[in-house]
Amino acid sequence: DAKTTQPPSMDCAEGRAANLPCNHSTISGNEYVYWYRQIHSQGPQYIIHGLKNNETNEMASLIITEDRKSSTLILPHATLRDTAVYYCIVRVDNQGGKLIFGQGTELSVKP
Amino acid sequence: GAVVSQHPSWVICKSGTSVKIECRSLDFQATTMFWYRQFPKQSLMLMATSNEGSKATYEQGVEKDKFLINHASLTLSTLTVTSAHPEDSSFYICSAFSGGGGRGIRGNTQYFGPGTRLTVL
Repeated sequence: DAKTTQPPSMDCAEGRAANLPCNHSTISGNEYVYWYRQIHSQGPQYIIHGLKNNETNEMASLIITEDRKSSTLILPHATLRDTAVYYCIVRVDNQGGKLIFGQGTELSVKP
Repeated sequence: GAVVSQHPSWVICKSGTSVKIECRSLDFQATTMFWYRQFPKQSLMLMATSNEGSKATYEQGVEKDKFLINHASLTLSTLTVTSAHPEDSSFYICSAFSGGGGRGIRGNTQYFGPGTRLTVL
């Protein structure tokens, strides 16, 4: 699976949009981009995933560049409860595919 | 939504004892489950892939005789840490693969349990 690069940490003001970047320049055509987050001392939580089109759900939006070499996770109105480590993972969307976690981005939402 | 539980949520044991951790998918069947380990201030490290009815597949560097995995049913996988030592103290997290999904359950997604904190004295 392709490797991803994320900034180690970011700050965001409460109520503002949090934009978390991820580089995956070696992504293959059949690899999806997944985002998970882990709040301290809890198991990771699925956020969103996509292949090449932008995606939106109740939690976030995922913007994937046209060349698919990078993506941005957008939390439109960050709250204090969004403080967590956010992981960007790329993998082939095959049946039962494992997830390999990188170091992620530690997002701190501040009042 | 999909719920994956782990039991116990925390355990403290003496060095040399064995500890069993259970991972259950509560509202969907999971033919594949995964076990991860996480040390403080570090990311999750995949230990093994647990397949229902067959032997687990271990990642490189993970001792299969020390970390015994059993996936006897479509909703239960267990991880047994045998002869635990202080260096095995860690946060152990399982995940269950949702496959085709179902009512309220997104398909082709890994759902994670809340984790089990193991402390070996």
